[in-house]
Amino acid sequence: EIVLTQSPGTLSLSPGDRATLSCRASQTVSHTNLAWYQQKPGQAPRLLLYATATRATGIPDRFSGSYSGADFTLAITRLEPEDFAVYYCQYSDASPGWTFGQGTKVEIK
Amino acid sequence: VQLVESGGGVVQPGRSLRLSCAVSGFTFSHYAVAWVRQAPGKGLEWVAVMSFDESKEYYADSVKGRFIISRDESKNTLHLQMNSLRGGDTAVYYCVRAPPRFSLGNYFDFWGQGTLVTVSS
Repeated sequence: EIVLTQSPGTLSLSPGDRATLSCRASQTVSHTNLAWYQQKPGQAPRLLLYATATRATGIPDRFSGSYSGADFTLAITRLEPEDFAVYYCQYSDASPGWTFGQGTKVEIK
Repeated sequence: VQLVESGGGVVQPGRSLRLSCAVSGFTFSHYAVAWVRQAPGKGLEWVAVMSFDESKEYYADSVKGRFIISRDESKNTLHLQMNSLRGGDTAVYYCVRAPPRFSLGNYFDFWGQGTLVTVSS
């Protein structure tokens, strides 16, 4: 079973800053099966990126994804006020199973 | 694309509850669909998935043998039958679409607003 570990747990930043969120898989995984979601309080999650780096419909280009081996990164350039939220990574494997990381909260400093 | 859940509520431990999800805006039979839950103040947990053609269904270990996912193509509706409910099943349950088409689904691109299930005596 693949485990996704997100870090940091909380990121305290100011509007305009760059955010870098990490998601580490417990073993080498396919980058085509990694997605990122954003969730704001009281709302359902929203898909941001799939296949590691492909932005979902309507997602601004300040959101980007990358990977190196089992390490995945979500970067947000120039944080906007609406970007302060919790972010989850998710992987689908051949078990099959759909695993989520525990989340990273991006809060206003 | 819309997914609208219903059927949540308060239920005693050991009892059953059936959730429904009405979908619209896309060809239901082309996509896998799933249920994802979130306990209060906690993260996301995949619960169950059914393939686009109803040939495959998979469950998280935490609900295997207790929950059953089904879909009614004639009514564009997804269901989750939850039996032998436990306190740990208390969560908001989201209905989700799982692309790409004609697959088991890699990710979840559209989510319902969620329905709260509370298991308590």
